[in-house]
This record gives sequence, C-alpha cells and structure tokens, in this order.
Amino acid sequence: AQKITQTQPGMFVQEKEAVTLDCTYDTSDPSYGLFWYKQPSSGEMIFLIYQGSYDQQNATEGRYSLNFQKARKSANLVISASQLGDSAMYFCAMREHYNQGGKLIFGQGTELSVKP
Amino acid sequence: DTGVSQDPRHKITKRGQNVTFRCDPISEHNRLYWYRQTLGQGPEFLTYFQNEAQLEKSRLLSDRFSAERPKGSFSTLEIQRTEQGDSAMYLCASSPDTNTEAFFGQGTRLTVV
Repeated sequence: AQKITQTQPGMFVQEKEAVTLDCTYDTSDPSYGLFWYKQPSSGEMIFLIYQGSYDQQNATEGRYSLNFQKARKSANLVISASQLGDSAMYFCAMREHYNQGGKLIFGQGTELSVKP
Repeated sequence: DTGVSQDPRHKITKRGQNVTFRCDPISEHNRLYWYRQTLGQGPEFLTYFQNEAQLEKSRLLSDRFSAERPKGSFSTLEIQRTEQGDSAMYLCASSPDTNTEAFFGQGTRLTVV
C-alpha cells in the first residue's frame, strides 16, 4: 500500500497567489515526522518544512506552512505569495520513528508551475 | 562546509560496465543515506549507514549493488554489470540523527546505453 500519496501530478498558480499541494499518508506508527522537499530542475532536494506527529501547532517556515490534519492523515503544503522561482517538483515524505534508521518514504511528487 | 557533495554529476556508461559514485556528507553527520529516483517518481530508499556500519538495505539493492562508507566519512555506491534499468538519479543524503531533516546532494544522473 502507498504510504505517501500525492494526487496532483501537476499544479498551476498565478504569481503572488497562494497554492495548496496535497499529501496524505498511511502509518500505524504513533510517532512519525512529515517533511516537504522542493526539487528544482537542477536535481537537488531542498528541505522546506517539517511537522512532527505530536506537534500541537501547524508548522510554518516563511512563505511555507503545513496544514496538518492528523485524523485525516493529511499534511498539505501551503505556499503563500507564489514566486516564479517556486516552479519545481514538490515531494511529501514521511519518517516513521519505529524505524531506527530514519529513512524517508516519498510520494510521487507534484510539479508546480508559477505563471507570471 | 558546503553541504552534501556527489561526484560525478552525470555518468553515461555502456550496459555491462561497472560504475562507482561518491558521496561526501556534511561533516560530522553520522547518518548517510542512498536513494534512487527514476523519471517521474519520488526517491526510493536504497541503503543507509550510521558511521561506517551499513545498517539497512532495501530489497531494491540487488547483489549487483554495493555500498561502503570506510571510516564513517565519504561513501561509495558501486553498480556492477550495469543494466538499462539502472538508469536513474542516485541521491545521497546525510543527517546528524533521526530527529532532523536529511540534507541531500545534487545527485548523480546515470544513463546506461
């Protein structure tokens, strides 16, 4: 079964508008972490934001915020005031803490295109 | 320190040849991970090291693949007798522990012809 599901293969947003990228996850581990990474065409995975399963508040990092709905097992990324440089692939990932190694499980990604 | 470094950035090889990739993690990061990413997919975990010990290997890592991390610093990933299906981006990541984010290198893009 898919542990991380990103249902939007591609998204378009107008520059300066906000956009939400969807992510749902599946785990039976009560302790886990959720991550969002950005991958521009250069290939490097750039860390954006992290949410722990026990965190009471939604994570925010600058223009990025994570809409964490634990009961629905969703961890959507919200990008406010989109910029042309935000055009990239975005990956949601999960780390289950029972796995001592700390490996990340990634979704298939969403390609975001920002229109001028 | 400038982050995780991978070499080479691109590699084209003929089917059946052996290739070796190198990853230099961020200094003092004791955990090092290898992932493989094929076109249109998210990265898939291959293996990870804590210091010099290889502690987990994915079923994706066939016996043609071997990874090492001598002295717990840089790591190498070797693919023997390459096949066209090995064509992918190979990403390396490091982290100081399991409670922080992993920092990725720019990857090595392998093309097997």
